Amino acid sequence: DIQMTQSPSTLSAVVGDRVTITCRASQSISSWLAWYQQKPGKAPKLLIYKASSLESGVPSRFSGSGSGTEFTLTISSLQPDDFAIYYCQHYNSYSHTFGQGTKLEIK
Amino acid sequence: EVQLVQSGAEVKKAGESLKISCKGSGYSFTSYWIGWVRQMPGKGLEWMGIIYPGDSDTRYSPSFEGQVTVSADKSITTAYLQWSSLRASDTAIYYCARPEMAYKYAFDIWGQGTMVTVSS
Repeated sequence: DIQMTQSPSTLSAVVGDRVTITCRASQSISSWLAWYQQKPGKAPKLLIYKASSLESGVPSRFSGSGSGTEFTLTISSLQPDDFAIYYCQHYNSYSHTFGQGTKLEIK
Repeated sequence: EVQLVQSGAEVKKAGESLKISCKGSGYSFTSYWIGWVRQMPGKGLEWMGIIYPGDSDTRYSPSFEGQVTVSADKSITTAYLQWSSLRASDTAIYYCARPEMAYKYAFDIWGQGTMVTVSS
């Protein structure tokens, strides 16, 4: 099975910062990678699909990049609403594997 | 509006059975897969299984195969997650979500979650 590993597990930042979260796959997964945001008590929300495609309605300060085994989610200028937990997810042959999550907290 | 609406919170005892539901609306229910995702208290997301209501094709994560049953009733556009004998370790929030598997290959629509609490 392909394993997805996110880093860091926790990231402290302030409003206005540019932040990057990394997701690494245990083997090449082409571009089958999505990113989600989850706030306390809420369902996850799709931000990015196919590594770099922005889901409709998601602010343009979110971007995704990468292919193969290394992927990044970048928030260009942190807003107060962005403090949350972020998950990557890989699709392969009907299997959907999530990373362990990265908590983005206020410094 | 495309949405998935889940059944309410459940409190059960270990050994009891349970079936929770997820009703889809605003889209062609039989043309999209529906999946279930577990989130244990304070933990991350775990994919459990998916079903294609059009033909009931069902796939499970190896971690959950044999532990739960995923089903769907296309006549009432509802998917289900079922346990025959609950354990305390099944205490979690369970989300249904629609994996868009024609282009995005990601869960683009999520239900609000169903909290299941199992006491020993």
